[in-house]
Amino acid sequence: DQQVKQNSPSLSVQEGRISILNCDYTNSMFDYFLWYKKYPAEGPTFLISISSIKDKNEDGRFTVFLNKSAKHLSLHIVPSQPGDSAVYFCAASVIFNKFYFGSGTKLNVKP
Amino acid sequence: DGGITQSPKYLFRKEGQNVTLSCEQNLNHDAMYWYRQDPGQGLRLIYYSQIVNDFQKGDIAEGYSVSREKKESFPLTVTSAQKNPTAFYLCASSGGPYNEQFFGPGTRLTVL
Repeated sequence: DQQVKQNSPSLSVQEGRISILNCDYTNSMFDYFLWYKKYPAEGPTFLISISSIKDKNEDGRFTVFLNKSAKHLSLHIVPSQPGDSAVYFCAASVIFNKFYFGSGTKLNVKP
Repeated sequence: DGGITQSPKYLFRKEGQNVTLSCEQNLNHDAMYWYRQDPGQGLRLIYYSQIVNDFQKGDIAEGYSVSREKKESFPLTVTSAQKNPTAFYLCASSGGPYNEQFFGPGTRLTVL
């Protein structure tokens, strides 16, 4: 039973445009959400997070939006750069306990 | 340099053999985790430990065992009972300002 889902396995975007990665969850008890970036044969690296008391968090080119009623979060990357090409995972947790990860979306930013 | 180390990066074993994957962290984090990643799939939690001498099963613990005798170390043993052990294994610890998880570089285990 997958509690965090990323329904798009891949996304291709032109350099300079916006990348929007989506994530849905089923557990309404999740109160903390994170996005990770992963290159092949490496461990994921933390990108940005958001608490359930917020609906938006911004860090440079990266913005995460949380829609609690829809149980949906999204990561916006503006402008997209070729170096952003990687697999992006969303994750969720309840009071920083177990983290549940989505299956990932592979982003390809074309020069 | 603070971080998480996993060794070795690549590991080959014969079917039926137990194998232990190393994970060490010097971040002074209390919590540590083991995940498995298979092609086209997300990270699935094998075991996690919130504190020394205590650990809990994750979603796919069957065929695996762990120990947490020291805060810095959380080794994972893949036993012969694990039916499909070939995978990419990731260790993590948590405790940053956002309580995010920090991941090691991973170990790719191939069972022949």
